[in-house]
Amino acid sequence: DIQMTQSPSSLSASVGDTVTITCRASQAIDNYLAWFQQKPGKAPKSLIYAASSSHSGVPSNFLGSGSGTDFTLTINNLQPEDFATYYCQQYSRYPYTFGQGTKLEIK
Amino acid sequence: QLQASGPGLVKASQTLSLTCSVSGGSMSRGYYWTWLRQFPGMSPEWIGYTSYRGDTLYNPSLNTRVTISVDPSNNQFSLRLTSVTAADTGVYYCARENAGNLFDFWGPGTLVDVSS
Repeated sequence: DIQMTQSPSSLSASVGDTVTITCRASQAIDNYLAWFQQKPGKAPKSLIYAASSSHSGVPSNFLGSGSGTDFTLTINNLQPEDFATYYCQQYSRYPYTFGQGTKLEIK
Repeated sequence: QLQASGPGLVKASQTLSLTCSVSGGSMSRGYYWTWLRQFPGMSPEWIGYTSYRGDTLYNPSLNTRVTISVDPSNNQFSLRLTSVTAADTGVYYCARENAGNLFDFWGPGTLVDVSS
């Protein structure tokens, strides 16, 4: 299985801040990388696919980048509704696997 | 839309059975109908999928215990997980994997508690 390692596991920030979450794959996955946002009691919501493409309706302050094994999710100008848990997920090879998550909390 | 249903409580050693109802479209080719689960405080885990024709692929970690089946005429697909233990307690999601290999629709999830 491809292991996905996210860092940090938790992060405290303030409204208006910029934060960066990193995700590393145990082997190259080209750009087959998605980012999800999950709020308590809800299903994950897809934000980014193909490492850097945003789904329709996703605010422009969410930016994905990377290729190969190293990826980042940057959230600019944090808004109150952005505080959630974020997961990366590889879809290069089955079984698809997720990172362990980054919990973004309000400072 | 997808909506999973089934018992929220299963006894250890028995079989977990869930059904996902698909509405708003047919279960046509080009999609994989998928089950995932999430343990408390953990990231989601991919369990496996079925196509509308019944082609399946499972996570090797669960391969001997899992069966996913499809009933296109009723717009449903199902999950069976045998010999459950407390370690199988979690939220189970049904989802659609599209032609781009993306999970584009998820059901709201259903909590399954395995009791001893």
